[in-house]
Amino acid sequence: DSGVTQTPKHLITATGQRVTLRCSPRSGDLSVYWYQQSLDQGLQFLIQYYNGEERAKGNILERFSAQQFPDLHSELNLSSLELGDSALYFCASRQTGTPNSPLHFGNGTRLTVT
Amino acid sequence: GENVEQHPSTLSVQEGDSAVIKCTYSDSASNYFPWYKQELGKGPQLIIDIRSNVGEKKDQRIAVTLNKTAKHFSLHITETQPEDSAVYFCASRGNDYKLSFGAGTTVTVRA
Repeated sequence: DSGVTQTPKHLITATGQRVTLRCSPRSGDLSVYWYQQSLDQGLQFLIQYYNGEERAKGNILERFSAQQFPDLHSELNLSSLELGDSALYFCASRQTGTPNSPLHFGNGTRLTVT
Repeated sequence: GENVEQHPSTLSVQEGDSAVIKCTYSDSASNYFPWYKQELGKGPQLIIDIRSNVGEKKDQRIAVTLNKTAKHFSLHITETQPEDSAVYFCASRGNDYKLSFGAGTTVTVRA
């Protein structure tokens, strides 16, 4: 168990809808990362938050947004969903203060857009 | 940005044999290279990592080597077992602390 909790595990919704994915990082980890894993593809970095503030952006669509709350949990909001948004979405957290501390991943949310 | 290439995309080995996965990276400033194992229905789990000041690291049946001059690193699994079957990802991290992942290698260990 990595200590990173993601909910829900599965989500099925229709095109055009909006969903929210939730992540609780490991206790004490201030950094949260979101990744997208499409079928047969690797992990694509979306966005990183550190202690409530956006730290880095990857290939995140404008229809997607995220935030990190004072209790350090994070939410990824996906709107105007398209069929191509169907994927696994992973959250990861990292201990800060140590330059090369590893990322710890949750078990992901599987999003299916129909 | 960093570009990480991983080969092969699939690997089938007989139980007890060795498996080798190779990755190359583009950013010479990259200094941290983790390997993750992803089992079905789960998130990637760190299995071993290596930093740029080390050429080789071993943990039981798993070893990683790094050649900074050539900008490539490899994962070696010896005496493979059925539970080693999974998708393996290499990654590299540069000075911006962002991890860039390879496309993954699906390893199947045949009993």
